[in-house]
Amino acid sequence: AQTVTQSQPEMSVQEAETVTLSCTYDTSESDYYLFWYKQPPSRQMILVIRQEAYKQQNATENRFSVNFQKAAKSFSLKISDSQLGDAAMYFCADFGNEKLTFGTGTRLTIIP
Amino acid sequence: GAVVSQHPSWVICKSGTSVKIECRSLDFQATTMFWYRQFPKQSLMLMATSNEGSKATYEQGVEKDKFLINHASLTLSTLTVTSAHPEDSSFYICSAEGQWDYGYTFGSGTRLTVV
Repeated sequence: AQTVTQSQPEMSVQEAETVTLSCTYDTSESDYYLFWYKQPPSRQMILVIRQEAYKQQNATENRFSVNFQKAAKSFSLKISDSQLGDAAMYFCADFGNEKLTFGTGTRLTIIP
Repeated sequence: GAVVSQHPSWVICKSGTSVKIECRSLDFQATTMFWYRQFPKQSLMLMATSNEGSKATYEQGVEKDKFLINHASLTLSTLTVTSAHPEDSSFYICSAEGQWDYGYTFGSGTRLTVV
């Protein structure tokens, strides 16, 4: 069974600063994908970034980047130049065994 | 980009009645759709996986007779909550896997309140 752990229920960051959200996972799959999703107050799930496990290079999408440590089964999300619109719940997810397993989420607050 | 439409966005129903929620992929064919349930301030819990033309696969602990899933076409999956009770009140979200991409697109969710 897959498990995804997000140990930070809440985080806050000053606007324009950088914040890192932590995620660890446990999977027996050899081929899998990792995702970060954002859920703003509208509750629409929005894909932030994804990482293929076979790729060593960390994925980046504009201000969002990941630190993927495969051996440690760690997949953290770094948000640079934080903006007010980044305030949301962030969920880490692991795709394996043909389904997505989500972590418990981290609520990110942006301080103006 | 891939869009998934979910309706209704919210519904209130009386205890004992049934409610149907629709999930449509608008610009792609979804071979597989997923149904999740999310309680307030909690994560998404997978309820079932539906594949076009076959029976849905339910997660452990999910009552298949209560949560009926139909995936009759490559663009439509429905979730019917039968004989709804107040404890079924929750936020239900669908997602779809496209054939051409290894990503998942989510619907906007349905807030179900059973009174």
